[in-house]
Amino acid sequence: ETGVTQSPTHLIKTRGQQVTLRCSSQSGHNTVSWYQQALGQGPQFIFQYYREEENGRGNFPPRFSGLQFPNYSSELNVNALELDDSALYLCASSSPGTNEKLFFGSGTQLSVL
Amino acid sequence: KQEVTQIPAALSVPEGENLVLNCSFTDSAIYNLQWFRQDPGKGLTSLLLIQSSQREQTSGRLNASLDKSSGRSTLYIAASQPGDSATYLCAVLSYGQNFVFGPGTRLSVLP
Repeated sequence: ETGVTQSPTHLIKTRGQQVTLRCSSQSGHNTVSWYQQALGQGPQFIFQYYREEENGRGNFPPRFSGLQFPNYSSELNVNALELDDSALYLCASSSPGTNEKLFFGSGTQLSVL
Repeated sequence: KQEVTQIPAALSVPEGENLVLNCSFTDSAIYNLQWFRQDPGKGLTSLLLIQSSQREQTSGRLNASLDKSSGRSTLYIAASQPGDSATYLCAVLSYGQNFVFGPGTRLSVLP
């Protein structure tokens, strides 16, 4: 059973650029959620995808968008990067029947200069 | 809107001590509560999951309790070890909402 994997592990971008982060869900999991974690804070929910459809969204602007593919892997896209977007971005997968237990990847550390 | 807080924000204890971490939430209509461990710059590892119908869960030296009526959960760590040093976060899943995380408790266990 493979765990949740995220790529890249680290990324440096400049303000105004666009970025794509990737996540492969744990085998058998059809739900993927994305979180933003600023330094010293708990993760903040961005959005969730279930069977390729967005299934809930947190308080993030439209320049944060996502996709889920037929194999349940997912992408997080952020346009027009701002300095405050610098954070650890975490992907978590889950599956019905597991009581919504979350399995997290190691995250992508994004720095916006 | 669910809000989750954790006390204390940071804790430093000598090796071998038993300790309690606290998590409070404002809306008692929850589906489940999970406790996670996070090492610096890393992802989260699930420690314990308590369903709304349960009062506690145990795994090894860890015991988590849930009191929905008072909006509280505690994580008890027995016989702490330096390897337990990490940030511990609780997360609450409410009906019709998504997970809300607390800010975490940063634990240091000194040898």
